Amino acid sequence: ETGVTQTPRHLVMGMTNKKSLKCEQHLGHNAMYWYKQSAKKPLELMFVYSLEERVENNSVPSRFSPECPNSSHLFLHLHTLQPEDSALYLCASSPLGDEKLFFGSGTQLSVL
Amino acid sequence: QKEVEQNSGPLSVPEGAIASLNCTYSDRGSQSFFWYRQYSGKSPELIMSIYSNGDKEDGRFTAQLNKASQYVSLLIRDSQPSDSATYLCAVRSTDKLIFGTGTRLQVFP
Repeated sequence: ETGVTQTPRHLVMGMTNKKSLKCEQHLGHNAMYWYKQSAKKPLELMFVYSLEERVENNSVPSRFSPECPNSSHLFLHLHTLQPEDSALYLCASSPLGDEKLFFGSGTQLSVL
Repeated sequence: QKEVEQNSGPLSVPEGAIASLNCTYSDRGSQSFFWYRQYSGKSPELIMSIYSNGDKEDGRFTAQLNKASQYVSLLIRDSQPSDSATYLCAVRSTDKLIFGTGTRLQVFP
């Protein structure tokens, strides 16, 4: 059982839909991350939150909107996505200043 | 563009053999290096970290770092079928953690 929980595990959405991905960590960490994993590509960092403040926005399109209401929860709001956004979206957390990441199980997203 | 390179594989080794996974990186100033294991359909899991030149051993796993040659390796001794997974190399470059595409390891009985 991972200390980082993501829901839903699978999501299929149309290009006009709005959906949200949820991440919750039970490890007492103060940094949380969104990564995108596509086939044959390296993990891509999307957003970083440290102490609930966004510290990194890695040139991600505005159709992806993160939210971090507290240090245990992280959301990724999705709207008007494109088929090329289909990928595995991974949430991770770490202690503040520590580079070791703990990943959630991911949300496999398909955009039709 | 700072990069981390790995051979995508698959690397096939017989059970009981040593599996050697290699990773090269472009940023000479990198200081922190990590190996993550990712089973098919699962999320990455940290298995090793190394920060200084030389070898670091943890059970059947040994990480090797050579900063002068800009490579980091992971050796898995007495490989088991349960080691079959994709192994991701990650390198801390300035303020970012950069991942390689991973090497798929297959251990056959």
